[in-house]
Amino acid sequence: GAVVSQHPSRVICKSGTSVKIECRSLDFQATTMFWYRQFPKQSLMLMATSNEGSKATYEQGVEKDKFLINHASLTLSTLTVTSAHPEDSSFYICSANLGQGKLFFGSGTQLSVL
Amino acid sequence: KQEVTQIPAALSVPEGENLVLNCSFTDSAIYNLQWFRQDPGKGLTSLLLIQSSQREQTSGRLNASLDKSSGRSTLYIAASQPGDSATYLCAVRPTGQGAQKLVFGQGTRLTINP
Repeated sequence: GAVVSQHPSRVICKSGTSVKIECRSLDFQATTMFWYRQFPKQSLMLMATSNEGSKATYEQGVEKDKFLINHASLTLSTLTVTSAHPEDSSFYICSANLGQGKLFFGSGTQLSVL
Repeated sequence: KQEVTQIPAALSVPEGENLVLNCSFTDSAIYNLQWFRQDPGKGLTSLLLIQSSQREQTSGRLNASLDKSSGRSTLYIAASQPGDSATYLCAVRPTGQGAQKLVFGQGTRLTINP
């Protein structure tokens, strides 16, 4: 079946550094990918919609300059958390749209900012 | 604004029991509803997808129902096993939104005791 690969699974960084998270669709092309954020014991909150070849669409309250999204190919979207701070520590998950209501999710990235 | 609520937040039952997880949503204008499973620190696995025109879907020991007019869905798990322990999330795709946006509930943390 379709697989979405997300890397890295866990990252620990110092405050002020930037972190890049990759989301790949391994056996299908995804013109649209989604980035979610999940705090402990809370639900997933959509951050942005990543569109191949065009600018990402951000949800209200999500800082575009803070969370940079690049969808340069039909199989890869990246999320860069710029100048990360402890409050950015969270679980980030991507998903890819296979069409017909089918969404496949990556395994997530646990970000810890010290 | 669409809101999704899941009750209970946590559930612990002995192995072998049948159980029901509940999901309610505030706006009945949806394309579909989906149940996911999330293991600790992992991504999401889609369990069942119910289109708005459908009443239920079944997969193995799982059965999901949808009553769109009342804004409710249930996930029935038969003959529960310790391997069923996970967090179960329901999500709706509202109509009128961009491609594939999902609104998630906060999940039910299920523990099956051997």
